Amino acid sequence: AQSVTQLGSHVSVSEGALVLLRCNYSSSVPPYLFWYVQYPNQGLQLLLKYTSAATLVKGINGFEAEFKKSETSFHLTKPSAHMSDAAEYFCAVNGNSGNTPLVFGKGTRLSVIA
Amino acid sequence: GAGVSQSPSNKVTEKGKDVELRCDPISGHTALYWYRQSLGQGLEFLIYFQGNSAPDKSGLPSDRFSAERTGGSVSTLTIQRTQQEDSAVYLCASSLGQGANYEQYFGPGTRLTVT
Repeated sequence: AQSVTQLGSHVSVSEGALVLLRCNYSSSVPPYLFWYVQYPNQGLQLLLKYTSAATLVKGINGFEAEFKKSETSFHLTKPSAHMSDAAEYFCAVNGNSGNTPLVFGKGTRLSVIA
Repeated sequence: GAGVSQSPSNKVTEKGKDVELRCDPISGHTALYWYRQSLGQGLEFLIYFQGNSAPDKSGLPSDRFSAERTGGSVSTLTIQRTQQEDSAVYLCASSLGQGANYEQYFGPGTRLTVT
C-alpha cells in the first residue's frame, strides 16, 4: 500500500524566493513518485517524475525534486519563484509493480507575492 | 493533438437525481482513470480501465457509482441518487498503457454540485 503526505496545505513565497514544497511517501514496494501542478480551472499537468533512475529529477518550468529513500521524501524545489508559479501542487506515488492508479497527497497551494 | 476532454464542465443537480459525466480520452490511449477531487480530501482514485480487461473498481465509494467504457474509448461515470457529499470535481485521465512509466494525461474535470 502507498500513501503520500504533503506538509503545508498553503505555502506563500515572495517573487524571486526559493520554493520548497514538501512530500513524504510510504510505500511497501519501490515507488515511482510524481509531482503534478494544477492551475485554476484546469486539469493536472505532470511537472516531473522519479522512476528509479537518477535521484535528482528535473522537470518543467525550472522545478526539480530529489528522491531521498532514507527520509522517504520527494520534496519539490525551484530556486526563484515567479508569479506564474501560483497554483496547486500535488505529490503522488505509484508502486512500480504495475498497479497504476496514482495515490495523491492532499495538495499544497502555492501563492507568490510580488 | 487533442487532449483529454470532459463534459459537461459544470453540472448542478438536485439531491436524489442521477447524473452522467463523460470522458473522451486521447486517441490510442488504452488506459482510462476516474478520480474525484473534493475540498480537503485531495484526489481520490475511483475506477480504472485497461484495454478489454475487467475494470478496477476498488475506489468507488458506494454502489451508487458506476462507470463504463464503450469500444475502448469514451467513458461515462454515472452517479445514481446523488447526495450532497458527491459534490466534487471529477477528473478523468488516460495513458498509452499500463504501468507507472506511462504518463497519465488529465482532462479539465467536471465540477458537480448537488443541491
